[in-house]
Amino acid sequence: DTEVTQTPKHLVMGMTNKKSLKCEQHMGHRAMYWYKQKAKKPPELMFVYSYEKLSINESVPSRFSPECPNSSLLNLHLHALQPEDSALYLCASSQDPENTEAFFGQGTRLTVV
Amino acid sequence: GNSVTQMEGPVTLSEEAFLTINCTYTATGYPSLFWYVQYPGEGLQLLLKATKADDKGSNKGFEATYRKETTSFHLEKGSVQVSDSAVYFCALRRMDSSYKLIFGSGTRLLVRP
Repeated sequence: DTEVTQTPKHLVMGMTNKKSLKCEQHMGHRAMYWYKQKAKKPPELMFVYSYEKLSINESVPSRFSPECPNSSLLNLHLHALQPEDSALYLCASSQDPENTEAFFGQGTRLTVV
Repeated sequence: GNSVTQMEGPVTLSEEAFLTINCTYTATGYPSLFWYVQYPGEGLQLLLKATKADDKGSNKGFEATYRKETTSFHLEKGSVQVSDSAVYFCALRRMDSSYKLIFGSGTRLLVRP
């Protein structure tokens, strides 16, 4: 199993809503990542979890709150988002933070209205 | 600093044409290099990688060679197919404490029948 599974595939939310994005991998990877990708742009790193601990936060606004409940799961909690937060949110994992190869999920396309 | 520069797209080719997408990088140390592909509406898939100088990565008919002397990692394919139409991202992985993936801006490839 070399898959990273993200749910939901699409999400539309209002600016006052609270929602969560979910990511799951069963490859035994110990590093997991959240990226944000705007249209026609490369992915931008948001957060890195290493051995279930947050190791990198790329100065992401607090309306995005990551959580790693266990080594297979990664969540991104969303609250009070702005329309400019609309984007494709990608989860990725790698065997460990030092391993060169990262596997990406299919992404959640988020629209904030 | 660390950065990746890709040729501007879109690149439009006829089926069975030869493909080159240029990628050059700036990095401290010896980064690992990657090509990722993103099909419309999907996440990123690792296409190939190289972890040291003179390594050649290959997959699905695509090849790229890690050239330290020219700091390049150009993507090539001898005969493209319509199904290769996608956006291609060159990336490097920093080998410092962050192990962050640095992406190029992406090159859109359109293959016409």
